[in-house]
Amino acid sequence: GQQVMQIPQYQHVQEGEDFTTYCNSSTTLSNIQWYKQRPGGHPVFLIQLVKSGEVKKQKRLTFQFGEAKKNSSLHITATQTTDVGTYFCAGLGRETSGSRLTFGEGTQLTVNP
Amino acid sequence: DSGVTQTPKHLITATGQRVTLRCSPRSGDLSVYWYQQSLDQGLQFLIQYYNGEERAKGNILERFSAQQFPDLHSELNLSSLELGDSALYFCASSVEGLADYYEQYFGPGTRLTVT
Repeated sequence: GQQVMQIPQYQHVQEGEDFTTYCNSSTTLSNIQWYKQRPGGHPVFLIQLVKSGEVKKQKRLTFQFGEAKKNSSLHITATQTTDVGTYFCAGLGRETSGSRLTFGEGTQLTVNP
Repeated sequence: DSGVTQTPKHLITATGQRVTLRCSPRSGDLSVYWYQQSLDQGLQFLIQYYNGEERAKGNILERFSAQQFPDLHSELNLSSLELGDSALYFCASSVEGLADYYEQYFGPGTRLTVT
């Protein structure tokens, strides 16, 4: 079945440093979504990428979808303590029925002030 | 607040018991998804319902079952509970309208502790 791998599993940064998490799928994806889960909270939708090579920005966050639609990345510029949390990618495979997303394991980001 | 409600927030029970988790989706959303999140783990998809019908099944154990009722709320039933079933159980809902667009809205979760 479809697998979505995410690296790194953990990332510790100093406030102000940049952060990137990478997501790779074993199959071509129809689209990919990113979610953020704050400690003790629930996942919250951040963004969806659909087109090959798509790049979207949300303030300090930049999301990219690979040309082959098998990988994606999330880059945060100049991290802040409010960025703390676990970032999940979730991919929808073309062969997948029932609109089922496959979540990566997540990257847990800690930011030292 | 995502608009998705889950009850109860916390549940402590003993091995071998049976529990029911409840979820009410956002108003207008027809799809409900159930996920299991163990400590420091990712989200494991369990099952999806769309407008009362089972749509997709993930890594759901035979001891677990779910249903979606005519008013679109859903229940996840966990039976013969084992210590390893201790986890956060999230419900999410989506519109399931357009083919490629269905962001999921997650509820606050139910933390199940099996002792």
